[in-house]
Amino acid sequence: DQQVKQNSPSLSVQEGRISILNCDYTNSMFDYFLWYKKYPAEGPTFLISISSIKDKNEDGRFTVFLNKSAKHLSLHIVPSQPGDSAVYFCAASYGKLTFGQGTILTVHP
Amino acid sequence: GAVVSQHPSWVICKSGTSVKIECRSLDFQATTMFWYRQFPKQSLMLMATSNEGSKATYEQGVEKDKFLINHASLTLSTLTVTSAHPEDSSFYICSASDQGLTEQYFGPGTRLTVT
Repeated sequence: DQQVKQNSPSLSVQEGRISILNCDYTNSMFDYFLWYKKYPAEGPTFLISISSIKDKNEDGRFTVFLNKSAKHLSLHIVPSQPGDSAVYFCAASYGKLTFGQGTILTVHP
Repeated sequence: GAVVSQHPSWVICKSGTSVKIECRSLDFQATTMFWYRQFPKQSLMLMATSNEGSKATYEQGVEKDKFLINHASLTLSTLTVTSAHPEDSSFYICSASDQGLTEQYFGPGTRLTVT
């Protein structure tokens, strides 16, 4: 039972454009959502988070949007940079973290 | 920011042997540590949660007698894979928290290959 899903295994974007990474969840008890960035053979690095009482949180080039009615969250990266190329995991929290499968983002120069 | 280290970063062992992986919080006291496992092209799966000085809580389907977790101090947790088999080959990642689940800091991971 995959409670957190990232349906796009990969995303390719041109440098300077917007990257939009999507995540869907099924458990309405989740109350905190996070995005992590991960390089191969390394542990995840925290990017940005959002509480279920909010619908938007912004930190520099990264913005996370939460649509509770649709059980959907997204991560926007503007402008995208080649250094953003990595695997992005969304995670949802209710007593423990549950991760999505990850989306490989490639930003082309 | 908070730093978590893991040792070793990569280990190869023979089937039937045991392997110990260490997870250390370097600049903070980790009241809770988590162990995850990641198969290629899959998400991180939580294996167990450990609180300092108490027994670990294992997720459903994780054999506690095979994956021994010890959290003896506020800066160190160990995962021992006992009687390793090739199917145990995976990427093992620990994380540590001192403020609850919303603040988890991840280690760099350990690549285990069982031959």
